[in-house]
Amino acid sequence: QSVLTQPPSVSGAPGQRVTISCTGSSSDIGAGYDVHWYQQLPGTAPKLLIYGNSNRPSGVPDRFSGSKSGTSASLAITGLQAEDEADYYCQSYDSSLSGYVFGTGTKVTVL
Amino acid sequence: EVQLVESGGGLVQPGGSLRLSCAASGFTFSSYAMHWVRQAPGKGLEYVSGISSNGGSTYYANSVKGRFTISRDNSKNTLYLQMGSLRAEDMAVYYCARVFSGGYPDSFDVWGQGTMVTVSS
Repeated sequence: QSVLTQPPSVSGAPGQRVTISCTGSSSDIGAGYDVHWYQQLPGTAPKLLIYGNSNRPSGVPDRFSGSKSGTSASLAITGLQAEDEADYYCQSYDSSLSGYVFGTGTKVTVL
Repeated sequence: EVQLVESGGGLVQPGGSLRLSCAASGFTFSSYAMHWVRQAPGKGLEYVSGISSNGGSTYYANSVKGRFTISRDNSKNTLYLQMGSLRAEDMAVYYCARVFSGGYPDSFDVWGQGTMVTVSS
């Protein structure tokens, strides 16, 4: 029951910048709830990448950055590297569902 | 080392039951709310259920409400998910996750490796 919409895939060459959008509504992101981002490498559990819209946990490279505006949020990866090839998910809260929600997920491919 | 280890997954028939466990170590388990998140094969993440640090409050996704029960035993540092009336659409890898209070809502900063639940006759 994803209510946060992400593009299915994005791609870029090594060193390039890519962005992933996370589009919600007035009952989730637009209601002021924070957005968090996770990276899931193939065959592994998700890893917290960005919390509170734009904060990086310790150990996450500063190549990863997040932002939020209105009813959407974005994750940017600058200086794309081969090890960034993974699935990325946004997460927030939906007041109409009274629950946590994840985005539909985006597969990042490094060309 | 902070760690979460799930167990209890397996093959179950439609309509059957299963109990998942998540053993925590390396942190004060009783101080953290905990959650379950699942991922169907080839699909995205789906929130399942959560419980407050003392077990007094629980939360469920609409898709599992009335069929799943979350609980915890802080003396054993273990989180549980009792699943009943299982359906084909419940087949997924189930992850337990620790809450990180860096924003509202909470995010999840520690995840287990996951345990696979297969629902099939």
